[in-house]
Amino acid sequence: AQKVTQAQTEISVVEKEDVTLDCVYETRDTTYYLFWYKQPPSGELVFLIRRNSFDEQNEISGRYSWNFQKSTSSFNFTITASQVVDSAVYFCVGEETSGSRLTFGEGTQLTVNP
Amino acid sequence: ETGVTQTPRHLVMGMTNKKSLKCEQHLGHNAMYWYKQSAKKPLELMFVYSLEERVENNSVPSRFSPECPNSSHLFLHLHTLQPEDSALYLCASSGRSFRETSTDTQYFGPGTRLTVL
Repeated sequence: AQKVTQAQTEISVVEKEDVTLDCVYETRDTTYYLFWYKQPPSGELVFLIRRNSFDEQNEISGRYSWNFQKSTSSFNFTITASQVVDSAVYFCVGEETSGSRLTFGEGTQLTVNP
Repeated sequence: ETGVTQTPRHLVMGMTNKKSLKCEQHLGHNAMYWYKQSAKKPLELMFVYSLEERVENNSVPSRFSPECPNSSHLFLHLHTLQPEDSALYLCASSGRSFRETSTDTQYFGPGTRLTVL
């Protein structure tokens, strides 16, 4: 069975601080996909990134960066120079290529204070 | 309109009412999903449609009845709901056909926040 663990339930930072959201994915599959979604107070789940298990290159998109390490099954997400608009719940999500179901972590509530 | 849209955004209904939630995707996808998100609980997958065929039903009570008339539209018909059904109902779509083994990203709508009195 798959399992996604986001150990941080809530994080509070001050604007312009860097913040890292942790995610650990457990599965017996050697091939799988990992995602991060953002859910602002409006409710919509916004897709941020998708990574397959064979690609361990770090990725950077503006202030966002992702670090995937297959050896530790971690897929951490860093926001650099955080802004108030980054305040949201962030979900780490796993998907086995053999199945159709997404496995959601419990989410991390990020609050960025001015 | 672009992406995935859902109407209404908010709905309050009594336990004896009948209502429907609507989802429309403008992404050319062929799979659509209903999720339930309750407070303090992980997202729960309710139904999956692929090429207008229901391929997954995760033990959802019969008071929830999905309908997928075409690949762009998905409905969730509600009747005789219970207060514990109050939640955010999210629709998603993806380009994946369940006849293929590859995966594809799911894109979500803004959700319908449902309150059952």
